[in-house]
Amino acid sequence: GAVVSQHPSRVICKSGTSVKIECRSLDFQATTMFWYRQFPKKSLMLMATSNEGSKATYEQGVEKDKFLINHASLTLSTLTVTSAHPEDSSFYICSAYSTSYSYEQYFGPGTRLTVT
Amino acid sequence: SQQGEEDPQALSIQEGENATMNCSYKTSINNLQWYRQNSGRGLVHLILIRSNEREKHSGRLRVTLDTSKKSSSLLITASRAADTASYFCATGLRDYKLSFGAGTTVTVRA
Repeated sequence: GAVVSQHPSRVICKSGTSVKIECRSLDFQATTMFWYRQFPKKSLMLMATSNEGSKATYEQGVEKDKFLINHASLTLSTLTVTSAHPEDSSFYICSAYSTSYSYEQYFGPGTRLTVT
Repeated sequence: SQQGEEDPQALSIQEGENATMNCSYKTSINNLQWYRQNSGRGLVHLILIRSNEREKHSGRLRVTLDTSKKSSSLLITASRAADTASYFCATGLRDYKLSFGAGTTVTVRA
C-alpha cells in the first residue's frame, strides 16, 4: 500500500517558537492532504484540507494564522505551528489522498509536539 | 465535527474471544471506514464499506453497515494479543473528508 511519512516524529520546543512538521507521500502523488490533531485518548479532529498549489481550507475554529499549511508539491505538505504555546501540545497526524486510490486515505505515523 | 459515536468506549476480552464494537452516525455518508491505532502511533486502515454495501469481510474482520439505522459494526474474530489497540470508525463524506468517531479501546488479555 501507499506510504506516508511525517517528520519529525517527536519535537519539544519552547513557548513562543515555531515548529514545522512535514508530511510526505512516498510512493504516490497525493491530490489532497489532510491535517488532524489528536488529544490523549481522544479521536482525531480534522484541522484543514490541503490541496497542492492552492490555499488550505480550514475547519471551523482552527486559526489560519496559527497553523500555517503549505502544499508545495503533490508529495509534500507542511504544517507550521506558529508561536507555539503549551496548549498546542498534541499529536498531529497527516493523511494523503489520491483520486487514483479510491476513497482511502493513507495516514502518516504522527508527530508528537510538546511545548514547554 | 465528529459524526461518529462508538460503543463501547472500552472493551476487555480474553485471547480467542470475539470483539464487537459499534458505530453510529448522523448524516448521509458516501462510505464508512474502520481504522486501528496502536498507542502513540498513526492509523492503519482496516476496511472500507460503501454506502450501498451491507457486509464486508477481510481476514478475521467483519463489518456490517445499516444505512437505515445509520450504524455499523466491526467484529474481530478469534482475537489475539496483537489486536490490542484503539479502533475508530470514520464516515467518508462527498468531499473525501473523514469524520472520526471517539474510538473503542480494545484490550486482549493473554
